[in-house]
Amino acid sequence: DGGITQSPKYLFRKEGQNVTLSCEQNLNHDAMYWYRQDPGQGLRLIYYSQIVNDFQKGDIAEGYSVSREKKESFPLTVTSAQKNPTAFYLCASRGEGRGGNQPQHFGDGTRLSIL
Amino acid sequence: GQQLNQSPQSMFIQEGEDVSMNCTSSSIFNTWLWYKQDPGEGPVLLIALYKAGELTSNGRLTAQFGITRKDSFLNISASIPSDVGIYFCAGSIPNFGNEKLTFGTGTRLTIIP
Repeated sequence: DGGITQSPKYLFRKEGQNVTLSCEQNLNHDAMYWYRQDPGQGLRLIYYSQIVNDFQKGDIAEGYSVSREKKESFPLTVTSAQKNPTAFYLCASRGEGRGGNQPQHFGDGTRLSIL
Repeated sequence: GQQLNQSPQSMFIQEGEDVSMNCTSSSIFNTWLWYKQDPGEGPVLLIALYKAGELTSNGRLTAQFGITRKDSFLNISASIPSDVGIYFCAGSIPNFGNEKLTFGTGTRLTIIP
């Protein structure tokens, strides 16, 4: 099946620990995105990447890092500098169509909690 | 950053009723998107709007891109139990090929038995 796969579904972090969330897509999309969702709020952009080996900070990048070494993969690391990491993390990707930009499509998310 | 005001925040309706929700922005957008999110899952795209004044349907769902480009609404007709969830609007302005979405805070739809 084509789609966006996020893993793990649930993740627990100890104080001072870095954790990495995986996002893989087999849709051949160039653009990939990471969002954070807190209860009762909309999605906020952490980082995005328009092409391999390039990425840009979003609105709330502090305490997070990413890499884009392969087109299909865009892992997010939640570092110990992120003091309030408990949230639902969503990865998205977007392709290019003949009509121009296509909508973003999302994975099923990773829920990160502090131990 | 840009703000999207989405209303209402929550709705409690009976099965079979029609639903209407909307989003307004302080800035213009070139694209409006509507997503639905079920608990513990990622948002799923319902309708995409690309042109001011555009009215698009997807089954029982209808959405419109406001003429001013600062608002959009979503209507659901004859609601059914599987319509329960959180609905998000999102707007974007392409910037030299970089598309960033701004999301509303969501409308939580509950169906009362």
